[in-house]
Amino acid sequence: NAGVTQTPKFRILKIGQSMTLQCTQDMNHNYMYWYRQDPGMGLKLIYYSVGAGITDKGEVPNGYNVSRSTTEDFPLRLELAAPSQTSVYFCASSHHTGNTIYFGEGSWLTVV
Amino acid sequence: DAKTTQPPSMDCAEGRAANLPCNHSTISGNEYVYWYRQIHSQGPQYIIHGLKNNETNEMASLIITEDRKSSTLILPHATLRDTAVYYCIVRVGGNAGNMLTFGGGTRLMVKP
Repeated sequence: NAGVTQTPKFRILKIGQSMTLQCTQDMNHNYMYWYRQDPGMGLKLIYYSVGAGITDKGEVPNGYNVSRSTTEDFPLRLELAAPSQTSVYFCASSHHTGNTIYFGEGSWLTVV
Repeated sequence: DAKTTQPPSMDCAEGRAANLPCNHSTISGNEYVYWYRQIHSQGPQYIIHGLKNNETNEMASLIITEDRKSSTLILPHATLRDTAVYYCIVRVGGNAGNMLTFGGGTRLMVKP
C-alpha cells in the first residue's frame, strides 16, 4: 500500500495564481483531512471530509476549497494565492472507527 | 477536546530512556490520550494511545496517572532517529471524525 500520497511536493506560486494540491489514499478510509503547518508551529485543520460527497470546514478554511467526489481523492484548491498561504500542507486519512490518522509526506508551498 | 501542556524542549542521551511529560488536567472521562511525533520535514506519525491503563507497543510506553490528569510517553532506548517534535493530544476515541488539534509539542533532541 502506498498510504497517503500528496502531489506536488514543492511549488512556488505568484500572488493571485490558483492551484490544486492533490491527495489520494489507497486504504479505503472514510475520513480525510487537510492541515497546514507554518514554521515552528503545530498543525491547523483546514478542511475535512467524512465520506464521498461530504466536506466540512476546519479551523482555518478561508482561501481554500475542497471536494470529495471519490473515497480515494481529496484535492485542496487555492483560488487566489496570498503570501499568508505560504506553508507546508499535509493531507491525512483515517478509518471512521479507527484511532490512527495517517499523514502524507507534505507539500511545501511558497507564494511570492 | 481538552487542552494539553508540554515542555517546549527536552534533551536525552542516546541509549537512555526519554520520558516526555504531558499535563491534561481537564480531560473528560471519554477522552483518550494520543501521542504523535513529527520528524523534521515529514508528516506526523502515530505512536500510541490510551484511556486509563498503561499501554506499550513496539515504539513506546504510555503511563497515565490514576487521576488521568497527566501522562508520560517513554521511549525506552532513545536513538538519534527519535529526534523529533512529540505531540500529546486528548480526544474522544473510536471516532476518527473528531478533529486532531496539534499544539506546540515537545522538541526532543537525542544526543550522542
